[in-house]
Amino acid sequence: AQTVTQSQPEMSVQEAETVTLSCTYDTSENNYYLFWYKQPPSRQMILVIRQEAYKQQNATENRFSVNFQKAAKSFSLKISDSQLGDTAMYFCAFMGMDSNYQLIWGAGTKLIIKP
Amino acid sequence: DAMVIQNPRYQVTQFGKPVTLSCSQTLNHNVMYWYQQKSSQAPKLLFHYYDKDFNNEADTPDNFQSRRPNTSFCFLDIRSPGLGDAAMYLCATSREGGGAESNQPQHFGDGTRLSIL
Repeated sequence: AQTVTQSQPEMSVQEAETVTLSCTYDTSENNYYLFWYKQPPSRQMILVIRQEAYKQQNATENRFSVNFQKAAKSFSLKISDSQLGDTAMYFCAFMGMDSNYQLIWGAGTKLIIKP
Repeated sequence: DAMVIQNPRYQVTQFGKPVTLSCSQTLNHNVMYWYQQKSSQAPKLLFHYYDKDFNNEADTPDNFQSRRPNTSFCFLDIRSPGLGDAAMYLCATSREGGGAESNQPQHFGDGTRLSIL
């Protein structure tokens, strides 16, 4: 069975700093998808970034980038020039090709950006 | 803007009194999901519809039912809510069509926070 582990329950950094959230996963599949979702307090869950396992190039979306290490089964999220609006729960999620559309979620990391 | 809309944002019901939560979408996605999320935890999938095909998770209580009368709407019915059912309920959609469209990310609504008195 697939599992997703986020080992940092909570992190805090100063505004404008760079922060990296860790995520590791376990699977026997070779093709799959990985996601980072952001959930601000009392607000909507939104997709931050998505990575296909068959792509070697790390995905980037503006200030957000990932370090995808397939052999190590690691999928960390780097937030550059952090902003107050980045304060949120961040969830790492896995979806296998034969998953019947199910996301396997990590426990989440609460990120606090301090002014 | 195309979106996933959940009504109401907050719902209060009495212990044992049936309650229905609603979700609508303008994305024309063929897959719709219902999740339960308790405080600071990851969402837990209750069930999903692929078009009209209903897929129930093995550990979803019988107390929870769902209806999808058409592509745009999906309902979550809780027949006899208990105190343990107090949670945020999230609706999500995705487009699954095989090939390049496979495994598209899920789009979430704002959620309905359910309280049980």
